Amino acid sequence: SQTIHQWPATLVQPVGSPLSLECTVEGTSNPNLYWYRQAAGRGLQLLFYSVGIGQISSEVPQNLSASRPQDRQFILSSKKLLLSDSGFYLCAWSVRRAYGYTFGSGTRLTVV
Amino acid sequence: GEDVEQSLFLSVREGDSSVINCTYTDSSSTYLYWYKQEPGAGLQLLTYIFSNMDMKQDQRLTVLLNKKDKHLSLRIADTQTGDSAIYFCAEGLYNTDKLIFGTGTRLQVFP
Repeated sequence: SQTIHQWPATLVQPVGSPLSLECTVEGTSNPNLYWYRQAAGRGLQLLFYSVGIGQISSEVPQNLSASRPQDRQFILSSKKLLLSDSGFYLCAWSVRRAYGYTFGSGTRLTVV
Repeated sequence: GEDVEQSLFLSVREGDSSVINCTYTDSSSTYLYWYKQEPGAGLQLLTYIFSNMDMKQDQRLTVLLNKKDKHLSLRIADTQTGDSAIYFCAEGLYNTDKLIFGTGTRLQVFP
Protein backbone atom coordinates (compact mmCIF):
# COMPACT_ATOMS: atom_id res chain seq x y z
CA SER A 1 0.00 0.00 0.00
CA GLN A 2 1.05 3.57 -0.57
CA THR A 3 2.25 5.63 2.35
CA ILE A 4 3.69 9.09 2.73
CA HIS A 5 6.12 10.10 5.43
CA GLN A 6 6.81 13.65 6.44
CA TRP A 7 9.19 14.84 9.14
CA PRO A 8 9.77 16.36 11.54
CA ALA A 9 6.30 16.80 13.01
CA THR A 10 7.17 20.04 14.78
CA LEU A 11 10.07 22.41 14.45
CA VAL A 12 11.04 25.65 16.17
CA GLN A 13 13.75 27.59 14.39
CA PRO A 14 15.27 31.03 14.92
CA VAL A 15 15.01 33.72 12.29
CA GLY A 16 17.87 33.47 9.81
CA SER A 17 18.48 29.76 10.32
CA PRO A 18 18.27 27.22 7.48
CA LEU A 19 15.40 24.80 6.95
CA SER A 20 15.07 21.33 5.50
CA LEU A 21 11.80 19.40 5.54
CA GLU A 22 11.66 15.98 3.97
CA CYS A 23 8.85 13.98 2.44
CA THR A 24 9.05 10.44 1.10
CA VAL A 25 6.48 8.26 -0.59
CA GLU A 26 6.36 4.48 -0.58
CA GLY A 27 4.44 2.02 -2.68
CA THR A 28 4.12 4.03 -5.88
CA SER A 29 6.28 5.11 -8.76
CA ASN A 30 6.61 8.44 -10.51
CA PRO A 31 4.12 10.29 -8.35
CA ASN A 32 3.37 13.96 -8.64
CA LEU A 33 4.56 15.62 -5.44
CA TYR A 34 3.38 18.83 -3.81
CA TRP A 35 4.29 21.16 -0.96
CA TYR A 36 1.52 23.23 0.61
CA ARG A 37 1.60 25.74 3.42
CA GLN A 38 -1.30 26.43 5.72
CA ALA A 39 -0.99 29.64 7.74
CA ALA A 40 -2.86 29.81 11.03
CA GLY A 41 -6.60 30.04 10.45
CA ARG A 42 -6.22 30.11 6.68
CA GLY A 43 -6.51 27.81 3.70
CA LEU A 44 -3.88 25.92 1.77
CA GLN A 45 -1.38 27.62 -0.44
CA LEU A 46 0.41 25.56 -3.07
CA LEU A 47 4.13 26.30 -2.86
CA PHE A 48 5.79 23.81 -5.22
CA TYR A 49 4.90 20.80 -7.29
CA SER A 50 6.97 18.26 -9.15
CA VAL A 51 6.08 15.82 -11.91
CA GLY A 52 9.46 14.09 -11.96
CA ILE A 53 13.03 13.98 -10.66
CA GLY A 54 14.63 17.40 -10.87
CA GLN A 55 11.43 19.01 -12.17
CA ILE A 56 10.14 21.69 -9.81
CA SER A 57 7.48 24.30 -10.43
CA SER A 58 7.12 27.20 -8.05
CA GLU A 59 3.72 28.70 -7.54
CA VAL A 60 4.57 31.79 -5.54
CA PRO A 61 7.71 33.88 -5.10
CA GLN A 62 9.08 33.27 -1.65
CA ASN A 63 11.97 32.54 0.62
CA LEU A 64 11.71 28.80 0.06
CA SER A 65 12.96 26.30 -2.50
CA ALA A 66 12.21 22.68 -3.27
CA SER A 67 14.16 19.78 -4.69
CA ARG A 68 13.40 16.25 -5.84
CA PRO A 69 16.64 14.30 -5.78
CA GLN A 70 14.90 10.92 -6.08
CA ASP A 71 11.61 9.75 -7.56
CA ARG A 72 9.86 9.48 -4.21
CA GLN A 73 11.66 12.15 -2.20
CA PHE A 74 10.66 15.79 -2.01
CA ILE A 75 12.55 18.34 0.08
CA LEU A 76 11.54 21.84 1.11
CA SER A 77 14.40 24.17 2.04
CA SER A 78 15.32 27.65 3.02
CA LYS A 79 18.71 29.26 3.49
CA LYS A 80 17.45 31.89 5.95
CA LEU A 81 14.06 31.62 7.61
CA LEU A 82 11.78 34.61 8.11
CA LEU A 83 9.09 35.04 10.74
CA SER A 84 6.52 34.88 7.94
CA ASP A 85 7.65 31.35 7.09
CA SER A 86 5.86 30.03 10.18
CA GLY A 87 2.99 27.71 9.37
CA PHE A 88 1.87 24.17 8.84
CA TYR A 89 3.61 22.53 5.89
CA LEU A 90 1.99 19.65 4.12
CA CYS A 91 3.42 17.31 1.54
CA ALA A 92 1.12 15.42 -0.82
CA TRP A 93 1.32 13.02 -3.74
CA SER A 94 -0.96 11.97 -6.55
CA VAL A 95 -0.88 9.55 -9.47
CA ARG A 96 -4.38 9.76 -10.88
CA ARG A 97 -6.59 12.78 -10.74
CA ALA A 98 -9.67 10.83 -9.75
CA TYR A 99 -7.98 9.74 -6.57
CA GLY A 100 -7.11 13.27 -5.51
CA TYR A 101 -4.10 13.86 -3.34
CA THR A 102 -2.83 11.89 -0.39
CA PHE A 103 -1.39 14.11 2.30
CA GLY A 104 1.32 13.59 4.86
CA SER A 105 0.73 14.38 8.51
CA GLY A 106 2.35 17.81 8.24
CA THR A 107 5.14 19.75 9.91
CA ARG A 108 4.35 22.66 12.17
CA LEU A 109 7.11 25.22 11.79
CA THR A 110 7.45 28.10 14.21
CA VAL A 111 10.07 30.71 13.43
CA VAL A 112 11.05 32.72 16.49
CA GLY B 1 -9.36 33.44 -11.45
CA GLU B 2 -8.64 30.38 -9.37
CA ASP B 3 -10.50 31.23 -6.16
CA VAL B 4 -12.50 28.58 -4.36
CA GLU B 5 -14.69 30.07 -1.64
CA GLN B 6 -16.21 28.59 1.48
CA SER B 7 -17.82 30.03 4.57
CA LEU B 8 -15.42 29.98 7.50
CA PHE B 9 -17.56 28.49 10.26
CA LEU B 10 -20.52 26.20 10.77
CA SER B 11 -21.96 25.13 14.09
CA VAL B 12 -24.53 22.33 14.37
CA ARG B 13 -26.14 20.24 17.06
CA GLU B 14 -25.23 16.59 17.33
CA GLY B 15 -27.67 14.47 15.34
CA ASP B 16 -28.62 17.27 12.94
CA SER B 17 -27.49 17.47 9.33
CA SER B 18 -24.60 19.71 8.32
CA VAL B 19 -24.35 21.35 4.92
CA ILE B 20 -21.02 22.84 3.88
CA ASN B 21 -21.01 24.93 0.74
CA CYS B 22 -18.33 25.76 -1.78
CA THR B 23 -18.19 27.97 -4.84
CA TYR B 24 -15.54 27.41 -7.45
CA THR B 25 -14.69 29.52 -10.44
CA ASP B 26 -13.24 27.29 -13.15
CA SER B 27 -16.05 25.75 -15.18
CA SER B 28 -13.60 23.38 -16.86
CA SER B 29 -12.76 21.62 -13.61
CA THR B 30 -13.28 17.91 -14.09
CA TYR B 31 -13.09 16.58 -10.52
CA LEU B 32 -14.21 18.19 -7.30
CA TYR B 33 -13.16 16.94 -3.88
CA TRP B 34 -13.98 17.20 -0.21
CA TYR B 35 -11.22 16.81 2.36
CA LYS B 36 -11.37 16.68 6.16
CA GLN B 37 -8.63 18.03 8.43
CA GLU B 38 -8.65 17.17 12.11
CA PRO B 39 -6.62 19.34 14.52
CA GLY B 40 -2.89 19.13 13.93
CA ALA B 41 -3.22 16.55 11.18
CA GLY B 42 -2.96 16.35 7.43
CA LEU B 43 -5.92 16.31 5.07
CA GLN B 44 -7.96 13.19 4.51
CA LEU B 45 -9.87 12.67 1.28
CA LEU B 46 -13.55 12.15 2.09
CA THR B 47 -15.10 11.91 -1.33
CA TYR B 48 -14.96 13.29 -4.84
CA ILE B 49 -17.38 13.84 -7.68
CA PHE B 50 -16.81 13.92 -11.40
CA SER B 51 -18.09 17.01 -13.15
CA ASN B 52 -20.68 15.12 -15.21
CA MET B 53 -22.47 13.98 -12.05
CA ASP B 54 -25.07 15.90 -10.07
CA MET B 55 -24.98 13.91 -6.89
CA LYS B 56 -22.94 11.30 -5.10
CA GLN B 57 -23.86 9.56 -1.88
CA ASP B 58 -21.50 7.64 0.37
CA GLN B 59 -22.98 6.52 3.68
CA ARG B 60 -23.64 9.70 5.71
CA LEU B 61 -22.08 11.94 3.07
CA THR B 62 -23.96 13.44 0.13
CA VAL B 63 -22.25 15.62 -2.44
CA LEU B 64 -24.31 17.87 -4.68
CA LEU B 65 -22.88 19.59 -7.71
CA ASN B 66 -24.53 22.46 -9.55
CA LYS B 67 -22.21 22.96 -12.48
CA LYS B 68 -24.22 25.86 -13.89
CA ASP B 69 -23.70 27.87 -10.71
CA LYS B 70 -20.30 26.30 -9.95
CA HIS B 71 -21.61 25.32 -6.55
CA LEU B 72 -20.59 22.26 -4.59
CA SER B 73 -22.01 21.14 -1.27
CA LEU B 74 -21.30 18.44 1.27
CA ARG B 75 -24.12 17.20 3.46
CA ILE B 76 -23.29 15.17 6.54
CA ALA B 77 -26.29 13.34 7.93
CA ASP B 78 -26.62 12.62 11.67
CA THR B 79 -23.60 14.78 12.48
CA GLN B 80 -21.46 13.46 15.33
CA THR B 81 -18.89 15.13 17.57
CA GLY B 82 -16.21 13.21 15.70
CA ASP B 83 -17.18 15.15 12.58
CA SER B 84 -15.81 18.34 14.12
CA ALA B 85 -12.97 19.39 11.85
CA ILE B 86 -12.08 21.73 9.00
CA TYR B 87 -13.55 20.74 5.66
CA PHE B 88 -11.91 21.78 2.42
CA CYS B 89 -13.36 21.61 -1.04
CA ALA B 90 -10.95 21.46 -3.96
CA GLU B 91 -11.25 21.61 -7.71
CA GLY B 92 -9.07 19.73 -10.17
CA LEU B 93 -8.30 22.01 -13.06
CA TYR B 94 -8.75 20.68 -16.58
CA ASN B 95 -5.71 19.07 -18.16
CA THR B 96 -3.55 19.42 -15.07
CA ASP B 97 -2.99 17.52 -11.86
CA LYS B 98 -3.11 20.66 -9.76
CA LEU B 99 -5.81 21.04 -7.14
CA ILE B 100 -7.03 24.41 -5.97
CA PHE B 101 -8.27 24.32 -2.41
CA GLY B 102 -10.92 26.43 -0.77
CA THR B 103 -10.35 28.39 2.40
CA GLY B 104 -11.84 25.65 4.57
CA THR B 105 -14.96 25.54 6.76
CA ARG B 106 -14.55 24.84 10.44
CA LEU B 107 -17.41 22.58 11.56
CA GLN B 108 -18.18 22.55 15.25
CA VAL B 109 -20.62 19.97 16.58
CA PHE B 110 -22.14 20.60 20.01
CA PRO B 111 -24.18 18.18 22.13
